[in-house]
Amino acid sequence: KNEVEQSPQNLTAQEGEFITINCSYSVGISALHWLQQHPGGGIVSLFMLSSGKKKHGRLIATINIQEKHSSLHITASHPRDSAVYICAVRLETSGSRLTFGEGTQLTVNP
Amino acid sequence: DTGVSQDPRHKITKRGQNVTFRCDPISEHNRLYWYRQTLGQGPEFLTYFQNEAQLEKSRLLSDRFSAERPKGSFSTLEIQRTEQGDSAMYLCASRLGLSELFFGSGTQLSVL
Repeated sequence: KNEVEQSPQNLTAQEGEFITINCSYSVGISALHWLQQHPGGGIVSLFMLSSGKKKHGRLIATINIQEKHSSLHITASHPRDSAVYICAVRLETSGSRLTFGEGTQLTVNP
Repeated sequence: DTGVSQDPRHKITKRGQNVTFRCDPISEHNRLYWYRQTLGQGPEFLTYFQNEAQLEKSRLLSDRFSAERPKGSFSTLEIQRTEQGDSAMYLCASRLGLSELFFGSGTQLSVL
């Protein structure tokens, strides 16, 4: 069992829809990252959070430390949001390196 | 460009050959990480430097793999006697302390 589980693995939405991607982890963490990866490999950091909620434009990330769960929401989705979204955690026991989920492939159709 | 840069972007090699990749982090970043990613999977940790010191190595990093960061700036990752299972995207990332992580575009390795 992976220490970081994401769901769904694949998600297809229509433009304008509200999107939710979930991330669950099984051990204590110091921080959680949401990352976006476009075809060709480039990874961009979207959020780093250890509690509560953060918002940037149409993106919202929440984390519930007690439930070991985080969600990434995209409001008013657009085809340019199509990418792989990856959850990664810094485990309490792993120093500064990150442990990654397998990613969620999001496709937003016009 | 002040982002993380990796060179080359693509590398095709024959099994048994040695390859070396380079990563230039953002200049003031003291921490540098190497990750490996195969198709459809999330990145896996390989190794981590704080300044010039290699502080952690994954068990994934066999004896054929070696990484250096000689002056605490750029880093190299060398794979000796490449195998087909080494085919993957090799990603470098850097950060200052525990701040936001910045990734390079990766080096795609294909071992024939």
